[in-house]
Amino acid sequence: DQQVKQNSPSLSVQEGRISILNCDYTNSMFDYFLWYKKYPAEGPTFLISISSIKDKNEDGRFTVFLNKSAKHLSLHIVPSQPGDSAVYFCAASVSGTASKLTFGTGTRLQVTL
Amino acid sequence: GAVVSQHPSWVICKSGTSVKIECRSLDFQATTMFWYRQFPKQSLMLMATSNEGSKATYEQGVEKDKFLINHASLTLSTLTVTSAHPEDSSFYICSARVTGRPQHFGDGTRLSIL
Repeated sequence: DQQVKQNSPSLSVQEGRISILNCDYTNSMFDYFLWYKKYPAEGPTFLISISSIKDKNEDGRFTVFLNKSAKHLSLHIVPSQPGDSAVYFCAASVSGTASKLTFGTGTRLQVTL
Repeated sequence: GAVVSQHPSWVICKSGTSVKIECRSLDFQATTMFWYRQFPKQSLMLMATSNEGSKATYEQGVEKDKFLINHASLTLSTLTVTSAHPEDSSFYICSARVTGRPQHFGDGTRLSIL
């Protein structure tokens, strides 16, 4: 039972344009969401997070949007840069569970010149 | 800040041997450490959660006698894969966190059992 889903396994975007990565979840108990970036043979690097009391959080080029009614979140990267090419995982947790994370399957982003 | 070191990064060993993987938080004291496993092209799957000085909490389907976790201090947790077999070959990643902060991950250990 995949509680966090990233339906696009890959995405290709031109440098300078916007990258939009999507994530859907099924567990309505999730109340904290995170995005991680991962390069091959490395551990995930934390990018940005959002609590369920918000619908938007912004940090530099990265913005995360949360639509609780649709159980959907998205990560916007603008402008996209070649160094953003990596696998992006969304993750979700439930308060009071020692922040156990449930990860999505990942989306491989390729930013082309 | 928030550096997590994992060692070794790559292990190849014979079937039947035991392998120990270390996870250290280098610049902070971690209240909780987590161990994940990732198969190729799949998501990270949580194996267990460990708090310093207490027994690890294992996820459903993870054999605690197979995957021994020791969390001896606020900066060190170890995962021992006992009597490893080829099906245990995978990418193992640890993470550490302080209450109220996101998890920070190590760079993972690629384990190959021949």
